[in-house]
Amino acid sequence: NAGVTQTPKFRVLKTGQSMTLLCAQDMNHEYMYWYRQDPGMGLRLIHYSVGEGTTAKGEVPDGYNVSRLKKQNFLLGLESAAPSQTSVYFCASSLVSGTVTYEQYFGPGTRLTVT
Amino acid sequence: KQEVTQIPAALSVPEGENLVLNCSFTDSAIYNLQWFRQDPGKGLTSLLLIQSSQREQTSGRLNASLDKSSGRSTLYIAASQPGDSATYLCAVGAGGTSYGKLTFGQGTILTVHP
Repeated sequence: NAGVTQTPKFRVLKTGQSMTLLCAQDMNHEYMYWYRQDPGMGLRLIHYSVGEGTTAKGEVPDGYNVSRLKKQNFLLGLESAAPSQTSVYFCASSLVSGTVTYEQYFGPGTRLTVT
Repeated sequence: KQEVTQIPAALSVPEGENLVLNCSFTDSAIYNLQWFRQDPGKGLTSLLLIQSSQREQTSGRLNASLDKSSGRSTLYIAASQPGDSATYLCAVGAGGTSYGKLTFGQGTILTVHP
């Protein structure tokens, strides 16, 4: 049971380049989330998904797109990277049972630098 | 908009001391509250989850309490050890149509020295 995994761990992009961050979970969780963590700003929600084929915007969605084609995977895309997107990106997932949402489990993070 | 504040921002204590980390939130209509630990350069590790109907949760030397009406939670760490040194994050969960989204505090950086 690997939990939540993220690929890649590190990446350096030039302004205007695109990339996709992959998150995978093997816990059969319904909900998945993408956060970014910046010094002085804490963790902020970018996008989330409440099930396969669904996505929704979080607090800071601009410049990002997401897809959840399979229940276990949640992809975060940057179409045209900007220096402001330099950050550490975390994926998380949680189990839902009825109306109860359980704890979120986080991946190890992807450290992205845009030059 | 929910706002989460953690006090103190940093704390340095000698080994063996009992300590309390504080978390406050502005909107008491929360679904749950989760405490995390983050080591430098690492991801977040869940420590305790308190559902809105609960008052406290315990795990080993950790005890977290929740007072929704006053918008406060505390994390109590007993007999602190150098291995407890990390950043501790409090996060408030929104339920219903908010689908468990978390709002995080800025964290408390804890250093336990031998």
